Amino acid sequence: NAGVTQTPKFRVLKTGQSMTLLCAQDMNHEYMYWYRQDPGMGLRLIHYSVGEGTTAKGEVPDGYNVSRLKKQNFLLGLESAAPSQTSVYFCATRRYEQYFGPGTRLTVT
Amino acid sequence: EDQVTQSPEALRLQEGESSSLNCSYTVSGLRGLFWYRQDPGKGPEFLFTLYSAGEEKEKERLKATLTKKESFLHITAPKPEDSATYLCAVQGQTGANNLFFGTGTRLTVIP
Repeated sequence: NAGVTQTPKFRVLKTGQSMTLLCAQDMNHEYMYWYRQDPGMGLRLIHYSVGEGTTAKGEVPDGYNVSRLKKQNFLLGLESAAPSQTSVYFCATRRYEQYFGPGTRLTVT
Repeated sequence: EDQVTQSPEALRLQEGESSSLNCSYTVSGLRGLFWYRQDPGKGPEFLFTLYSAGEEKEKERLKATLTKKESFLHITAPKPEDSATYLCAVQGQTGANNLFFGTGTRLTVIP
């Protein structure tokens, strides 16, 4: 069991470029989440999904879009990256408690 | 609004020196309080869930307790491998089982 995997592990973007972060899980969990973690801010929820085909906004959704076309995958998109989106992004899945992936470190210059 | 405050921000202990980390919270209808451990460059790793005041859970050198306003993570006789950032999160009645995280306590255990 791989658990929760995230692709890519690292990425550097220029302002205005777009990219998609992929989260994949093999635990058959319905709930999936995207967080960002910044120094001194803690983990903040961007978007979440309660099942295949559903998505909802979290605490800091602006500048991000998500899709959950398949139960095992949750995609996070940045249409036009900004330096303020430089962060470490974590995906999580949930049955009773949340299980986190290893993270994607994104730098926007 | 849900709020979680963790203290201290950083803690340095000698190996074997027991201590406690604090998590104070404000939430509308607590559904659960969660403790996670996070090593540098890695995702948070689940440790405990507490559901009601008076509940306690233990795992090796760690013991988590819960009151109506705060939770403590007690570390007994810590070892260098216990060095990590410890995160506290609460789940309230709003949202789809969403967690609200504190900023963590960075623990360093010196041999």
